[in-house]
Amino acid sequence: DTAVSQTPKYLVTQMGNDKSIKCEQNLGHDTMYWYKQDSKKFLKIMFSYNNKELIINETVPNRFSPKSPDKAHLNLHINSLELGDSAVYFCASSQKRDQETQYFGPGTRLLVL
Amino acid sequence: EDQVTQSPEALRLQEGESSSLNCSYTVSGLRGLFWYRQDPGKGPEFLFTLYSAGEEKEKERLKATLTKKESFLHITAPKPEDSATYLCAVHGFGNEKLTFGTGTRLTIIP
Repeated sequence: DTAVSQTPKYLVTQMGNDKSIKCEQNLGHDTMYWYKQDSKKFLKIMFSYNNKELIINETVPNRFSPKSPDKAHLNLHINSLELGDSAVYFCASSQKRDQETQYFGPGTRLLVL
Repeated sequence: EDQVTQSPEALRLQEGESSSLNCSYTVSGLRGLFWYRQDPGKGPEFLFTLYSAGEEKEKERLKATLTKKESFLHITAPKPEDSATYLCAVHGFGNEKLTFGTGTRLTIIP
């Protein structure tokens, strides 16, 4: 059973398009996260939700908009995609807001052409 | 702001050749230090959490240790399946987020 799952696994698209990435966790965790991993493997937090409430909103272009319909799901919508958005996006979850151990999904590899 | 520096950037070892990876950190107060393993094309996999200086944790051929300024991931008699990128992260007091280092890419040669 997959604990944290993401769809799609790969996403290839043209500049200017809008795309969404979906994440689901079946661990019963309260808190979910979106990370971006660049070509140098640096993992940087983008957003975090706790029980559907936004608690972390790093300096990210407002073309990126997270949505949490319930505490098991966290989606990421990206408008007007740019070349620099090409990266691997990881979803993660933790049991509680202050529970630091985070469990990661398999990642979504986004390539903007 | 919390900072994490990992060294070396890459490490190649012969099978059975023990070594250590370093994670130096700066935080205002440490809530936890984390080690993750990441295989190519996969998400980071949790290994250890360390909370206070002097703490040690072990799992198979891996042992993580913590001081007030750095953490070491010791790998004893590694096997080719230990090849991966090892990531270190810290969680500081007053900070909602984890701060990651850029990782050490470990290759074990048979």
